Amino acid sequence: SQQGEEDPQALSIQEGENATMNCSYKTSINNLQWYRQNSGRGLVHLILIRSNEREKHSGRLRVTLDTSKKSSSLLITASRAADTASYFCATDARDLKETSGSRLTFGEGTQLTVNP
Amino acid sequence: NAGVTQTPKFQVLKTGQSMTLQCAQDMNHEYMSWYRQDPGMGLRLIHYSVGAGITDQGEVPNGYNVSRSTTEDFPLRLLSAAPSQTSVYFCASTSGTGGLGYTFGSGTRLTVV
Repeated sequence: SQQGEEDPQALSIQEGENATMNCSYKTSINNLQWYRQNSGRGLVHLILIRSNEREKHSGRLRVTLDTSKKSSSLLITASRAADTASYFCATDARDLKETSGSRLTFGEGTQLTVNP
Repeated sequence: NAGVTQTPKFQVLKTGQSMTLQCAQDMNHEYMSWYRQDPGMGLRLIHYSVGAGITDQGEVPNGYNVSRSTTEDFPLRLLSAAPSQTSVYFCASTSGTGGLGYTFGSGTRLTVV
């Protein structure tokens, strides 16, 4: 079952505009992560936000987390054509006990197209 | 550092054949995982490991075996390939200290005919 669900499934914007993607999840988490995947490539980690954090920034990326609503958003400001990719949220419900390990659960992703 | 290395990049198998997908990381990461990615379904966890000698099943483990004899290597074995296993397979690793994202390999595109 998919823990995270991204919204929208596809987003097309013009270069310079901001892009916002949303993610909802179902169970308690330790942290939530966002990844980017360019066509035909592996996933690249973008940013991680812990369950006790509400907002985090990294360059042109801004992530928010609302644990009461079980939702997160990723904002990419001043988008560029090179930002064209699929973006995935992933929840880490790693138990604090070592035996349970770390299990990332991914959503289905948002396909972002930035037009020059 | 090479990061996470997966081999082969492409593979075509006939139904019923077996094969091993290789995954190696040089970052001394404790946690390693295998995912498959199918169109419109995101990534689904097959098996994962929290350290050498320790493995566990993920969401879709049937038809796959794993072992973790060393920290560096985490091979995925397809026992008897089926067309339903046509997919792109990704290996990923992360440090056990927490608070870090996963490093992914570039993937193996597998077609079972």
